[in-house]
Amino acid sequence: ETGVTQTPRHLVMGMTNKKSLKCEQHLGHNAMYWYKQSAKKPLELMFVYNFKEQTENNSVPSRFSPECPNSSHLFLHLHTLQPEDSALYLCASSQEGGGGAQNIQYFGAGTRLSVL
Amino acid sequence: RKEVEQDPGPFNVPEGATVAFNCTYSNSASQSFFWYRQDCRKEPKLLMSVYSSGNEDGRFTAQLNRASQYISLLIRDSKLSDSATYLCVVREYHTGGFKTIFGAGTRLFVKA
Repeated sequence: ETGVTQTPRHLVMGMTNKKSLKCEQHLGHNAMYWYKQSAKKPLELMFVYNFKEQTENNSVPSRFSPECPNSSHLFLHLHTLQPEDSALYLCASSQEGGGGAQNIQYFGAGTRLSVL
Repeated sequence: RKEVEQDPGPFNVPEGATVAFNCTYSNSASQSFFWYRQDCRKEPKLLMSVYSSGNEDGRFTAQLNRASQYISLLIRDSKLSDSATYLCVVREYHTGGFKTIFGAGTRLFVKA
């Protein structure tokens, strides 16, 4: 157990559905991340939140909408997805700043998403 | 040139073998380095940080070569349970923030 919890673990949705992925970290970290990992491909960073402010958006389509209500929770709202969006969506958190901190990212178990 | 490059493998080795992976990075200003391990259909987990002086954790040894801009991971006495994808991770600091870059990973299969 890494202290980062993601729900649901599996999700099947149609292209017209709206769903949300949830991530909660119990580590007291100040930064949270969404990654996408497609089959046999490397991790793709999607969004970064630092102190609840979005600091990075790597040209992610608008059908993915992140929300960070506080430093412990991160959501990814999904709507009108495409079959190619089927992937493992990973959330991570880290403690940034503090001089000398290792800034290690800890990952949740991921949500395996299938878009039909 | 990719920011972080790894040989994708796969590396197929027998139990008990010694295997080494390298990872090169393009930004000479990179400051922190890590190796993560990812099992099939699981999340990445930190294996070890990589320090300038090199560091060892049991059968695993990590080295950093700043002059040549690469890090390495050496696994001695390979076990079946070492079969996984090993991800090289580099952190860069820029004005106003930081950037963490994951390599695509090197796949290792350890056979009985």
